[in-house]
Amino acid sequence: DTGVSQDPRHKITKRGQNVTFRCDPISEHNRLYWYRQTLGQGPEFLTYFQNEAQLEKSRLLSDRFSAERPKGSFSTLEIQRTEQGDSAMYLCASSWGLGETQYFGPGTRLLVL
Amino acid sequence: DAKTTQPTSMDCAEGRAANLPCNHSTISGNEYVYWYRQIHSQGPQYIIHGLKNNETNEMASLIITEDRKSSTLILPHATLRDTAVYYCIVRAGPGGKLIFGQGTELSVKP
Repeated sequence: DTGVSQDPRHKITKRGQNVTFRCDPISEHNRLYWYRQTLGQGPEFLTYFQNEAQLEKSRLLSDRFSAERPKGSFSTLEIQRTEQGDSAMYLCASSWGLGETQYFGPGTRLLVL
Repeated sequence: DAKTTQPTSMDCAEGRAANLPCNHSTISGNEYVYWYRQIHSQGPQYIIHGLKNNETNEMASLIITEDRKSSTLILPHATLRDTAVYYCIVRAGPGGKLIFGQGTELSVKP
């Protein structure tokens, strides 16, 4: 059984460019979460999906951010017109159902120059 | 959402027990306490969780006070590889999102 995987692990981009990250959850986990972590802080919740439905979005998720989970399996997180303040670690977690333990992936570290 | 309070940092000698405290005085009756840890530059790793009773697994023990306002994570025989930031979290809301605080930076020293 493989864990949560994320791709890429590292991304360097220039301000104003668009970036897309992918998360593959643990097989058959129906809930998928995205978090963001800046240096020295704990992870902050961004959004979550149950199957393909996006059920909650944090106000941290500005209109430049969009997340999808089209077939209820993998998910993508896109950031448009990146800003230096978007530099962070983007973490994905998955769980089976409400109340079940969330397991995290290794994260994608984004640096916006 | 319930909030947690943890010491910023702690030291522990290798081979000794590490006892990490957490206060969660506003926890609701149906909210679980979760512990995760994060080793530098890695994703958070699940350790243990509990509701009312004490819990033990192969990694750690979780002691929750009777009034549920605080808990302690115990690593019985700390090793250098246990050096990490430990987060005490009260899972909140119907969506189950985790609200992380600053955590405790545990340094295990030889």
